[in-house]
Amino acid sequence: EVHVVESGGGFVQPGGSLRLSCAASGFTFSDYWMTWVRQAPGKGLEYVANINQDGTDIHYAGFVRGRFIISRDNAKRSVYLQLSGLRTDDTAVYYCSRDSAWFDAWGQGTLVTVSS
Amino acid sequence: DIVMTQSPDSLAVSLGERVTINCESSQSVFHSSNNRNSLAWYQHKPGQPPKVLIYWASIRESGVPDRFSGSGSGTDFTLTISSLQAEDVAVYYCHQYHSVPHSFGQGTKLEIK
Repeated sequence: EVHVVESGGGFVQPGGSLRLSCAASGFTFSDYWMTWVRQAPGKGLEYVANINQDGTDIHYAGFVRGRFIISRDNAKRSVYLQLSGLRTDDTAVYYCSRDSAWFDAWGQGTLVTVSS
Repeated sequence: DIVMTQSPDSLAVSLGERVTINCESSQSVFHSSNNRNSLAWYQHKPGQPPKVLIYWASIRESGVPDRFSGSGSGTDFTLTISSLQAEDVAVYYCHQYHSVPHSFGQGTKLEIK
């Protein structure tokens, strides 16, 4: 069974950093793109970033503006999202998903709260 | 960037009735290479992760009840629930994967009347 599990969320002050992790199982991880999507409180789903199978093709949403870095380690079957320069409007549940072009397997999400 | 606009923002429908949710993209999401539209629909219930219902605009994901269907092409798409069930209460999103950055519609909240 396909599983995706996020971790690393928490409380951070504005300007701070966090590293989110996403561990995958149940499928050949190195065959798939992976994506991060977020949902701010009371808001809709918002694409954040995605990365191709070997990490050589990466894309970000415009709001990222160099503050976030997506990466992956196929040996560990994991994808990461390094968050820096965090702002209060980055407060959200961050979801990791397998990316078959559409997003077909999602984790439960990890909450990032940015507040002073 | 492609902007996705859904309508309505919310709706309340009686059990057993038909539900129609619309999604419009600011640019065509049709892929001439495979004659398909790069459009997916998701169902999102509180406390759960989103779940894909439809991809390539009209292909139902495995395990999704056949009361859910998708249609449309180019810039205009529709998600239809043929007969609303209580468990269908959720927020529904369209998503274009035609070009990066990917983008979602703002969501349509579906409730029971």
